[in-house]
Amino acid sequence: ETGVTQTPRHLVMGMTNKKSLKCEQHLGHNAMYWYKQSAKKPLELMFVYSLEERVENNSVPSRFSPECPNSSHLFLHLHTLQPEDSALYLCASSQDHYGDGGRGYEQYFGPGTRLTVT
Amino acid sequence: AQSVAQPEDQVNVAEGNPLTVKCTYSVSGNPYLFWYVQYPNRGLQFLLKYITGDNLVKGSYGFEAEFNKSQTSFHLKKPSALVSDSALYFCAVRLTGGSQGNLIFGKGTKLSVKP
Repeated sequence: ETGVTQTPRHLVMGMTNKKSLKCEQHLGHNAMYWYKQSAKKPLELMFVYSLEERVENNSVPSRFSPECPNSSHLFLHLHTLQPEDSALYLCASSQDHYGDGGRGYEQYFGPGTRLTVT
Repeated sequence: AQSVAQPEDQVNVAEGNPLTVKCTYSVSGNPYLFWYVQYPNRGLQFLLKYITGDNLVKGSYGFEAEFNKSQTSFHLKKPSALVSDSALYFCAVRLTGGSQGNLIFGKGTKLSVKP
């Protein structure tokens, strides 16, 4: 897990707060991802960045705002969240989002941020 | 619609016995398939993948998976289970077409290995 780091590991925030989640990958990858993992639900893809360009916004509410300033860093800015947004937020990276010559690049995940919205 | 299914919520195995965690998929074209493992309070960890070639794929920690095109399955196997294998296992398939590159994950199977 040292290849992809996430901070903070735990976050408790009120519904009116503004906070940010940070992800950093040390693998030299070109693509980064945000996922939401809730209890009893499959892993949900939220955002995809390829070469610092957002290429996927999977119908995520605007209270979640991603930012990718460079290929190594990814942020998720949070504001006016709802209690149902409480979940484990996972960041991942891969060498190339679209693959190259049919090679399906696996994704490497960080340890996640456990978010609780009160 | 493209999808991946893990029909078992939980698999219980005695230590030393073989284990199988099941996965079936539905995807257009040639599938790229993955297995991940998640230990408590950790992120997902890549185990193995099938892209092309030999239907039996070997991965980390003694795990292997068999790609079966006719049955659209990609079951995860290990000849001899360890207590430390107890974790949550996810199968994933890489989408083709308009959302090419995205992975969709199964809901996960909890593996419990008892001494």
